[in-house]
Amino acid sequence: EVQLVESGGGLVQPGGSLRLSCAASGFTFNNYPMSWVRQAPGKGLEWVSAISGGGDFTLYADSVKGRFTISRDNSKDTLFLEMNSLRAEDTALYYCAKRRAAAGHNFDSWGQGTLVTVSS
Amino acid sequence: QSALTQPPSASGSPGQSVTISCTGTSSDVGGYNYVSWYQQHPGKAPKLMIYEVTQRPSGVPDRFSGSKSGNTASLTVSGLQAEDEADYYCSSYAGSKTLLFGGGTKLTVL
Repeated sequence: EVQLVESGGGLVQPGGSLRLSCAASGFTFNNYPMSWVRQAPGKGLEWVSAISGGGDFTLYADSVKGRFTISRDNSKDTLFLEMNSLRAEDTALYYCAKRRAAAGHNFDSWGQGTLVTVSS
Repeated sequence: QSALTQPPSASGSPGQSVTISCTGTSSDVGGYNYVSWYQQHPGKAPKLMIYEVTQRPSGVPDRFSGSKSGNTASLTVSGLQAEDEADYYCSSYAGSKTLLFGGGTKLTVL
C-alpha cells in the first residue's frame, strides 16, 4: 500500500523559511515523478512544484519560482520542499502527491498534508 | 496562468445524474487530453476519480465518467449516492510541464 507522510509544517513569520518532508513507502520511489500541491484554508488546490524520478528535472508554479526548491533523496524515499521568503499567501495545507505513471499529469496517491501558516 | 473555471456548486437527488463543467482555454483543457478529476471529502486528501479525460482508476465506480468538448471538460456522476457529496476539482496539463486546477465544485446530494 502506498503511503505518503508529510512533516515539517508550522508557524513562521513573513520572510522566514521552512523545509517540508514527505516520507514515501509502498512503491518504487525513484520510478515516479512527485509533486507538491497546496490548499489555502477554505480554498481550492494549487499545484506548486514537481520533480522527476531521478531528481534531475524540476518545475515550479510562477507563484513560488525563485523562493521554493523541490528535491528528493531516493536513497531514503523522501521528497522535500525548501521554502524561503515566505509570504502570508503561502499559508496552506501542503500535500505531496505521487504521479500515477511515469508519464501523464495526474496523481493517484496523496499524503494527508502538513499545514504551513505564515503570520507575524 | 488562471485557474480553470468550475461552477461553485451543483446538486442532485439520490439516483439522479449531475454534470460538473470545467472550462479552460486552447492552451490547457482544449489543447491536451490530460484532464483529471479529483474528489475531496471534508478534512481528507483528494482522490483521483478520472484521468486523461475519460479513464477511471481501478476501484472508482463506473457511475463516474468524464468527457471533453473543445475547451470544456465535464464530470458526470450517475445514480447519485449520499457518499458522492464532496468537493470536486478538475485539473489540466497547461503546457511547459505545468498543471492547472479548477476552483472546485461543491456537490450536494439533496
